[in-house]
Amino acid sequence: DAGVIQSPRHEVTEMGQEVTLRCKPISGHDYLFWYRQTMMRGLELLIYFNNNVPIDDSGMPEDRFSAKMPNASFSTLKIQPSEPRDSAVYFCASSPGTSANEQFFGPGTRLTVL
Amino acid sequence: AQSVTQLDSHVSVSEGTPVLLRCNYSSSYSPSLFWYVQHPNKGLQLLLKYTSAATLVKGINGFEAEFKKSETSFHLTKPSAHMSDAAEYFCVVSGYNTPLVFGKGTRLSVIA
Repeated sequence: DAGVIQSPRHEVTEMGQEVTLRCKPISGHDYLFWYRQTMMRGLELLIYFNNNVPIDDSGMPEDRFSAKMPNASFSTLKIQPSEPRDSAVYFCASSPGTSANEQFFGPGTRLTVL
Repeated sequence: AQSVTQLDSHVSVSEGTPVLLRCNYSSSYSPSLFWYVQHPNKGLQLLLKYTSAATLVKGINGFEAEFKKSETSFHLTKPSAHMSDAAEYFCVVSGYNTPLVFGKGTRLSVIA
């Protein structure tokens, strides 16, 4: 398996623009997680899905952020409109379960909002 | 609720000397515990995992960790540091039917 795939790897955009990050989880994994990592706040869980259904989005910072999982092999995280404070590395991870199961991380998308 | 505390934000060792990264956990249930490593500009990778079997867990690249319930600790060790071990290390605890809870990370520097 190719592992978790994220695109793009780098994104530079201007404040106010819409940004869409993409993730393809490992085949057969029922759980998908979106994280944000910054120097100031560390690694934060934004939202996670089970069988394509959002289970907990309490980590989504505000209404500008939205995530979807239209099928088992694809998820998006959208920021609209983007702001400079959204600059971070965004990771997608997938897992066959929650509690005792390892999460497999993608390489991340480095977002810079000017 | 579950939580982890990584006691050092930064650890610096000389190449060839032992590594000790400290982690304490809190959990209402019998926890599963993990250590992940993140090399610069990379995603997180599992180093090792404890799930109530042997209390001494061996991982990749010569790392190991010991689960001590009486001390609620899960410290990560390696007998001899290598330059390639320089990275960020995360201690992680499982919840009960909830996602993993990550510590704030410990940055390991290895000096030649």
